[in-house]
Amino acid sequence: AQTVTQSQPEMSVQEAETVTLSCTYDTSESDYYLFWYKQPPSRQMILVIRQEAYKQQNATENRFSVNFQKAAKSFSLKISDSQLGDAAMYFCAYGIYNQGGKLIFGQGTELSVKP
Amino acid sequence: NAGVTQTPKFQVLKTGQSMTLQCAQDMNHEYMSWYRQDPGMGLRLIHYSVGAGITDQGEVPNGYNVSRSTTEDFPLRLLSAAPSQTSVYFCASSYVGGIEQFFGPGTRLTVL
Repeated sequence: AQTVTQSQPEMSVQEAETVTLSCTYDTSESDYYLFWYKQPPSRQMILVIRQEAYKQQNATENRFSVNFQKAAKSFSLKISDSQLGDAAMYFCAYGIYNQGGKLIFGQGTELSVKP
Repeated sequence: NAGVTQTPKFQVLKTGQSMTLQCAQDMNHEYMSWYRQDPGMGLRLIHYSVGAGITDQGEVPNGYNVSRSTTEDFPLRLLSAAPSQTSVYFCASSYVGGIEQFFGPGTRLTVL
């Protein structure tokens, strides 16, 4: 069975600094997707970034980038130039193409940003 | 587009009561899902549907029923609420061949 693990329940970063959130997963599939979702206090789930497993290049979205290590089954999120608005719960998630509706989530990492 | 909508936003039930959480989407998505979010456990899949008339169980289906009579709607029914069902419930949808899921705003349910 596929599993997703986030081993950091809480992280803290100084405003304007860089922070990395960790995620590991386990799967026997070769073709899959990985995601990072942000959940601010409003509770809304916001997609931050996605990575297709068949792509070797790491995904980047503005200040957010990932370090995807397929062999190690690791998928970390780096937030550069952290802003107060980045404070939220972050979830790592795994899904398989054409099995839409079946995402497996990690436990979440609560990120606080200090001014 | 309203996207994915959920009603109600908050609900308090007594043990044994029944209720239906409503979910609707106006994006013509084939796939719809229900998740529950509990502290320290992330989101866990309850039930999902790949189209009207087709539903299947996820990781934690016990105590919940679903049906999908239209593409737009995917209600979640609690037949006899239990305190263990106190949680935040999210509905999500995605299109066929798509992988990104669009989430509703969530329903916070408390069972006393």
